Amino acid sequence: AQRVTQPEKLLSVFKGAPVELKCNYSYSGSPELFWYVQYSRQRLQLLLRHISRESIKGFTADLNKGETSFHLKKPFAQEEDSAMYYCALSGGSSYKLIFGSGTRLLVRP
Amino acid sequence: NAGVTQTPKFQVLKTGQSMTLQCAQDMNHEYMSWYRQDPGMGLRLIHYSVGAGITDQGEVPNGYNVSRSTTEDFPLRLLSAAPSQTSVYFCASSYQGAGTRVYEQYFGPGTRLTVT
Repeated sequence: AQRVTQPEKLLSVFKGAPVELKCNYSYSGSPELFWYVQYSRQRLQLLLRHISRESIKGFTADLNKGETSFHLKKPFAQEEDSAMYYCALSGGSSYKLIFGSGTRLLVRP
Repeated sequence: NAGVTQTPKFQVLKTGQSMTLQCAQDMNHEYMSWYRQDPGMGLRLIHYSVGAGITDQGEVPNGYNVSRSTTEDFPLRLLSAAPSQTSVYFCASSYQGAGTRVYEQYFGPGTRLTVT
């Protein structure tokens, strides 16, 4: 079965500290992985997709097929990074996304 | 472009009432979806559409109907509201990135629905 697991409901760090938001997935084929972010009172928006191997707002994520993980990382957290982060997977029908339960990141001053 | 718009922003219903959540997009996207967002459960797909006249069920379709008569609009109908349908509902549209299988999804602002 296709599944996305985000084990942490809340991650609290101090400004300037490194951040790692965990995401593990279960999928039998070649998945496409995404990170979406939802800032307070805003709509969900795409942050990263593994296929483009880009860095957005200092965040990076590497797909590790051996560990079936797609963790989101940032070396130095900023207060404006505080938001809800969702890891998502799409399989053969890529327009259908399967979301994890989300991790709330709180960056303290 | 307005992107993806949803109305209403908030709604309170009594058990058994019916209503339609509206969703529209002006980006000429083929694909549209409805999700519900519940605490601790992330977003779950209710129904989706791959084009005008074509819809299919997602993960949690029971109690909801959809139709897609135009590319722009994708309304979600609650037939007989139940307290279990209290949630935040998001509509999304998507297109395929050039030369890839990746479909970037654009989300609406959401509708917060309470069923008493």
